[in-house]
Amino acid sequence: SQTIHQWPATLVQPVGSPLSLECTVEGTSNPNLYWYRQAAGRGLQLLFYSVGIGQISSEVPQNLSASRPQDRQFILSSKKLLLSDSGFYLCAWELGQGSDTQYFGPGTRLTVL
Amino acid sequence: SQKIEQNSEALNIQEGKTATLTCNYTNYSPAYLQWYRQDPGRGPVFLLLIRENEKEKRKERLKVTFDTTLKQSLFHITASQPADSATYLCALPLSGYSTLTFGKGTMLLVSP
Repeated sequence: SQTIHQWPATLVQPVGSPLSLECTVEGTSNPNLYWYRQAAGRGLQLLFYSVGIGQISSEVPQNLSASRPQDRQFILSSKKLLLSDSGFYLCAWELGQGSDTQYFGPGTRLTVL
Repeated sequence: SQKIEQNSEALNIQEGKTATLTCNYTNYSPAYLQWYRQDPGRGPVFLLLIRENEKEKRKERLKVTFDTTLKQSLFHITASQPADSATYLCALPLSGYSTLTFGKGTMLLVSP
């Protein structure tokens, strides 16, 4: 069966520090991968998605970036965090075209102070 | 602009009653619509997908309807239980080639 892992579960970082969040999927090949952010009291905001290794699409301009160095690994990064980057970060995977359903990881709670 | 609307106010019901949540969308007619459940501090969990040619879909105590004329989906939980308390999100593609867009969700509180 497929599983999705995210780490760390929680993170407290100072403004201006770098960020690296990792997501890995097991039990499937060539999934579509997604990064979302959910701010307090707000909906899920799609940040990035990837349909293959090295292929990244960005939904909103921001100081975050994403990379997909391996088929089942998706990384969210920032060189300098802002206070507004605080939130609940969720990674999700989806089988290739036509599947439509997304499966979410446990999330990372990021607090920028 | 295209958007998804879910009631932002929490829905409070008594155990055993049927809960009905609403999802409205504008403009685009999606090929499908999905419902997810999200518990506090957790990622959303997929519940049901309904396609544009389906009027209704059921899974155990869950029922989803899809009215493409009204641009609305209703999500029903029959014989609700306190364990059903969570936030329920609807999601659909807002264009033919777009990824899923999620509504902000409606919190359901089932009291014993």
